[in-house]
Amino acid sequence: DGGITQSPKYLFRKEGQNVTLSCEQNLNHDAMYWYRQDPGQGLRLIYYSQIVNDFQKGDIAEGYSVSREKKESFPLTVTSAQKNPTAFYLCASRKMGPDGETQYFGPGTRLLVL
Amino acid sequence: GESVGLHLPTLSVQEGDNSIINCAYSNSASDYFIWYKQESGKGPQFIIDIRSNMDKRQGQRVTVLLNKTVKHLSLQIAATQPGDSAVYFCAENWVSGTYKYIFGTGTRLKVLA
Repeated sequence: DGGITQSPKYLFRKEGQNVTLSCEQNLNHDAMYWYRQDPGQGLRLIYYSQIVNDFQKGDIAEGYSVSREKKESFPLTVTSAQKNPTAFYLCASRKMGPDGETQYFGPGTRLLVL
Repeated sequence: GESVGLHLPTLSVQEGDNSIINCAYSNSASDYFIWYKQESGKGPQFIIDIRSNMDKRQGQRVTVLLNKTVKHLSLQIAATQPGDSAVYFCAENWVSGTYKYIFGTGTRLKVLA
């Protein structure tokens, strides 16, 4: 099956702790994205990567970091600098080129602070 | 399950009726639009898309209408079923060919048996 996987489904963070959310895709898509979803708000872009070894800040990058060492993987680290990390985190990938611009989403990770 | 939006507008529809969900988009230069369906606790699922050179596009039981004059997008679901109950939101591609998408907050669709 082709698709996007995220793990874990639920993640608990203690004060001052960094945590890493996993995102893997086997769709051979070049571009990958991380969004944050809060109740009553539209998705907000944290980071995106259009190619391996390159990534750019989105609208709310403060307190987050990413890496893109492989095409298939785009992990997101929520650092202790992120003071309000409780949210639903969504990873997406996008097929570049003339055939389509659709973003496909993973199942999400819910991050909770202890 | 978790709620993706605690204070979203809600549309309640009788099973078998047609549903119409609306979205106002923000940028007249946006040239690509997507409708997503999101069930509680899950990631958004692609439903249908439309480019700005079209006014209407039909899929299986769904139709998207685009009115560029008033920057309005609608999703029509025919013969609504209980499995259609979810939050629906639109996305616009802010600048063609780039990363930037703007997402609406969504509408909760409740299908009444």
